[in-house]
Amino acid sequence: QSALTQPASVSGSPGQSVTISCTGTSSDVGGYNYVSWYQHHPGKAPKLMIYDVSERPSGVSNRFSGSKSGNTASLTISGLQAEDEADYYCSSYTRSTTSVFGGGTKLTVL
Amino acid sequence: QVQLQESGPGLVKPSETLSLTCAVSGYSISSGYYWGWIRQSPGKGLEWIGSVYHNGNTYYNPSLRSRVTMSVDTSNNQFSLKMSSVTAADTAVYYCARPRIEAAGHYFDYWGQGTLVTVSS
Repeated sequence: QSALTQPASVSGSPGQSVTISCTGTSSDVGGYNYVSWYQHHPGKAPKLMIYDVSERPSGVSNRFSGSKSGNTASLTISGLQAEDEADYYCSSYTRSTTSVFGGGTKLTVL
Repeated sequence: QVQLQESGPGLVKPSETLSLTCAVSGYSISSGYYWGWIRQSPGKGLEWIGSVYHNGNTYYNPSLRSRVTMSVDTSNNQFSLKMSSVTAADTAVYYCARPRIEAAGHYFDYWGQGTLVTVSS
């Protein structure tokens, strides 16, 4: 069982928007603005998509955005494209000076 | 572009020691940063194992601290993980990654592709 809770799967059609939630506690997500999101295509290296809740690394499409409210963070992908189909993981720094991750969400582009 | 590549045995016997190495290219690890290990057990989420600073200082997840040792080899630009007394529960895909800001990582900006380690007799 993962420390952070994500939906197992989400789906959307090309061009639509989808949002993936990531729920933790006041000891991690709710207590720090250090939530990050990773895109993982099986067999490849995970890729950082969002850090510090809503910051995008250089080179990441502005179709990806992050936000947080209380103990729940969210990743929104707008203008869905076939290449966005992947597994997405959230992570948060914690009060115990560790990092915890979500169980992952499989995004299917219909 | 920083690249990381894990290597090591894919099969380890129970009670033995798991040993993995992460080769870094595109950056000299002696220049700075933390370097870390993360694993994903079958059907479970990701777990931060620990990190080693470029000067050799180590930081481990308390849940694994008693069995984990990490080190850096600046001459070969790589760092390593050893995990002792492994059991089937340690079967996982092991990733090396670069944590940023703190040892446990406010975020991880570069990752390897991962290597599957199976614990079985």
